[in-house]
Amino acid sequence: EPEVTQTPSHQVTQMGQEVILRCVPISNHLYFYWYRQILGQKVEFLVSFYNNEISEKSEIFDDQFSVERPDGSNFTLKIRSTKLEDSAMYFCASIRGTNTGELFFGEGSRLTVL
Amino acid sequence: AQTVTQSQPEMSVQEAETVTLSCTYDTSENNYYLFWYKQPPSRQMILVIRQEAYKQQNATENRFSVNFQKAAKSFSLKISDSQLGDTAMYFCAFMNPREFEIIFGKGTRLHILP
Repeated sequence: EPEVTQTPSHQVTQMGQEVILRCVPISNHLYFYWYRQILGQKVEFLVSFYNNEISEKSEIFDDQFSVERPDGSNFTLKIRSTKLEDSAMYFCASIRGTNTGELFFGEGSRLTVL
Repeated sequence: AQTVTQSQPEMSVQEAETVTLSCTYDTSENNYYLFWYKQPPSRQMILVIRQEAYKQQNATENRFSVNFQKAAKSFSLKISDSQLGDTAMYFCAFMNPREFEIIFGKGTRLHILP
């Protein structure tokens, strides 16, 4: 069964450092998402990506965040200068089309900022 | 803006009992999708069941079924014959296929007790 894969599964970093979280969406999917879940809290939308550009982003997705799909396969989330409050689980997700409904999630990348 | 509300932060039931998790949402759209996702302690988000708003028939997947009341904007999840493996966080989610954002409720933590 196709799946979304994410690396690393856990990253620990110092405040102010740059972090890149990587995702490989399902190959025939067209829409890609990043979500964040702070421990014990709800899943929050960060950004959606379609046709090699950002489709929509939330208030959380400020200038410290960026996404790109450098090689047509990987979908990355970069945090330029991490803050303590960036500590969370980051989930990548993909969907074939917005009229098909099912969103496939990766297993998540846990980011701990010290 | 669309919102999703899960009013039960935490629930506990005995194994083999039936449990219902509530979810309400707010939207002015007529066509949309609703989902229930399960997040076990292993952390991956797993799709439990989905419902297209244009379908009147309630979706069913084995022991999982929904009670979709479109007029009331209610989308509850019923788990029959609950099992220990059903212990997880359950998130209700809403998707407008014309937009790129998928909105999640705050989640209900479900404990199945032996």
